[in-house]
Amino acid sequence: KQEVTQIPAALSVPEGENLVLNCSFTDSAIYNLQWFRQDPGKGLTSLLLIQSSQREQTSGRLNASLDKSSGRSTLYIAASQPGDSATYLCAVIETSGSRLTFGEGTQLTVNP
Amino acid sequence: NAGVTQTPKFRILKIGQSMTLQCAQDMNHNYMYWYRQDPGMGLKLIYYSVGAGITDKGEVPNGYNVSRSTTEDFPLRLELAAPSQTSVYFCAAKTGSRGYGYTFGSGTRLTVV
Repeated sequence: KQEVTQIPAALSVPEGENLVLNCSFTDSAIYNLQWFRQDPGKGLTSLLLIQSSQREQTSGRLNASLDKSSGRSTLYIAASQPGDSATYLCAVIETSGSRLTFGEGTQLTVNP
Repeated sequence: NAGVTQTPKFRILKIGQSMTLQCAQDMNHNYMYWYRQDPGMGLKLIYYSVGAGITDKGEVPNGYNVSRSTTEDFPLRLELAAPSQTSVYFCAAKTGSRGYGYTFGSGTRLTVV
């Protein structure tokens, strides 16, 4: 059974810092990996999708990397802003492409 | 193109009542999913469907039922509501193509009292 772990569970940083969120998974036979953002009381917004054949994806100040062999992904946020405050969820898609398993998320607070 | 639409947004049920959470998508995606999210936790898969007429259980299916008679709709049924089903429910859809990820609805917040 696939298990996804996110470290740290919570993170508080001053505005302007670069930061890294970590995601690890137990079964490296994955199809894709997707990072989401969730604001309090809201739904999930997709940030980045990394296919299993890729090593990284970039969108603006966000960069996500994937190392399948070690079962790890990182989400790098450059020059953090208070508007980045949210919970960030990592999810892996199994090889059939049909099921998504989530980590419990990292709650990020960026202080002005 | 609305993506994934969930109704209602909020609901309070009494113990033992029944209800159906609605989910509709207009993207013609084959795969649809129901997740629940308890406070401070990640999302747990309840049921999923890979196409009309095909459904399968996820991690936490007990107390729920689903049907998928059309590509567009994937309702989730609670037959005898229990306090343990107080949660936020999310519906998601995905194309079968590898290069595309999941699209989520905005959620239904359910409280069972």
